[in-house]
Amino acid sequence: AQTVTQSQPEMSVQEAETVTLSCTYDTSESDYYLFWYKQPPSRQMILVIRQEAYKQQNATENRFSVNFQKAAKSFSLKISDSQLGDAAMYFCAYRSVGNDMRFGAGTRLTVKP
Amino acid sequence: DAEITQSPRHKITETGRQVTLACHQTWNHNNMFWYRQDLGHGLRLIHYSYGVQDTNKGEVSDGYSVSRSNTEDLPLTLESAASSQTSVYFCASSEGRGETQYFGPGTRLLVL
Repeated sequence: AQTVTQSQPEMSVQEAETVTLSCTYDTSESDYYLFWYKQPPSRQMILVIRQEAYKQQNATENRFSVNFQKAAKSFSLKISDSQLGDAAMYFCAYRSVGNDMRFGAGTRLTVKP
Repeated sequence: DAEITQSPRHKITETGRQVTLACHQTWNHNNMFWYRQDLGHGLRLIHYSYGVQDTNKGEVSDGYSVSRSNTEDLPLTLESAASSQTSVYFCASSEGRGETQYFGPGTRLLVL
């Protein structure tokens, strides 16, 4: 079974600095998708970024970028120029084609002013 | 704008009662999902559907059921609520099986 591991239950970053959240996954599939979701205090799950495994280029969305290492089964999220509004729980998720999505346990990010 | 809604947003019930949580999406997505979120576990899949009349069990399906009679709705039923089912429940939908899932606002359920 596929598993997703987020080894950092909590992280903190100073406003305007950069922070990296870690995620590793276990799979025998070659075709799959990886996601980072943000959950602010409102509890709404918001898609931050998505990566297709067949793409070698790392996905980027404004201040958010990923470091996708397929061989190492690693999918970290980098947040640049952190803002107070980035404070939230962040969930890494994996999904192979035709199968259900698996989530990590989450990392709580605190942004210090 | 297309959206996905859940009702009720908060529910208190007693053990043994039947409870139904509603999920309605206007994205016209074929795929719909129910998750529960508990501290330390992230989100875990309860049931999912790839289209009308299709339902499948997820990782934690015991004590739950779903039915899909149309594209827009996937109600989740707790046949006989238990205290272990106290949780926050999220509904989600996606266009394709590997596509991004869009989530509803969640329902907080307390079983006393």
